[in-house]
Amino acid sequence: QQQVKQSPQSLIVQKGGISIINCAYENTAFDYFPWYQQFPGKGPALLIAIRPDVSEKKEGRFTISFNKSAKQFSLHIMDSQPGDSATYFCAASISNTGKLIFGQGTTLQVKP
Amino acid sequence: EAQVTQNPRYLITVTGKKLTVTCSQNMNHEYMSWYRQDPGLGLRQIYYSMNVEVTDKGDVPEGYKVSRKEKRNFPLILESPSPNQTSLYFCASRTVNQETQYFGPGTRLLVL
Repeated sequence: QQQVKQSPQSLIVQKGGISIINCAYENTAFDYFPWYQQFPGKGPALLIAIRPDVSEKKEGRFTISFNKSAKQFSLHIMDSQPGDSATYFCAASISNTGKLIFGQGTTLQVKP
Repeated sequence: EAQVTQNPRYLITVTGKKLTVTCSQNMNHEYMSWYRQDPGLGLRQIYYSMNVEVTDKGDVPEGYKVSRKEKRNFPLILESPSPNQTSLYFCASRTVNQETQYFGPGTRLLVL
């Protein structure tokens, strides 16, 4: 019930292409869905987040699409750049609790 | 500079030798949390603290202890480390009113 499943495990995209990472959850009580970006040797950093009252959120080249009925959400990176090469984690939590559940992570490589 | 610091950054120890990983934040955050990161498993929450003297278990608390005597510090204690605790550990903090967590740089632990 607490799991968040993330796919794919790894992704290779050409520069300028679209990167898509998918996550699925079971617990309908989750109400906050962040995406974290992690570069080698660094801690994760928040990239973008969404709450289930909207179906899409866009910040620059990064977009979260949220499908409440399917219990799925995804990260789209438009015009992918080599500097986007990193590990991406989706996560889910229930507001005002302390728990944050992460997906398994996706290693993205953007080829020049 | 607002940050979360962890010490040590790298540690090699032997089975059964008690160790403490320190975590400190200078942002006056009420909430702090510990995670471990393992390949293919993403980040898993060990313990979290909503405020001073308030701690609670995450998903993988076995073999770990924490304490929160001061707002800025949240040490992670391994009383009797075992090889299956070899991992990359991250501390994070946030305010109680915001969900965005700020991560430290990580501590890589090897238990022989």
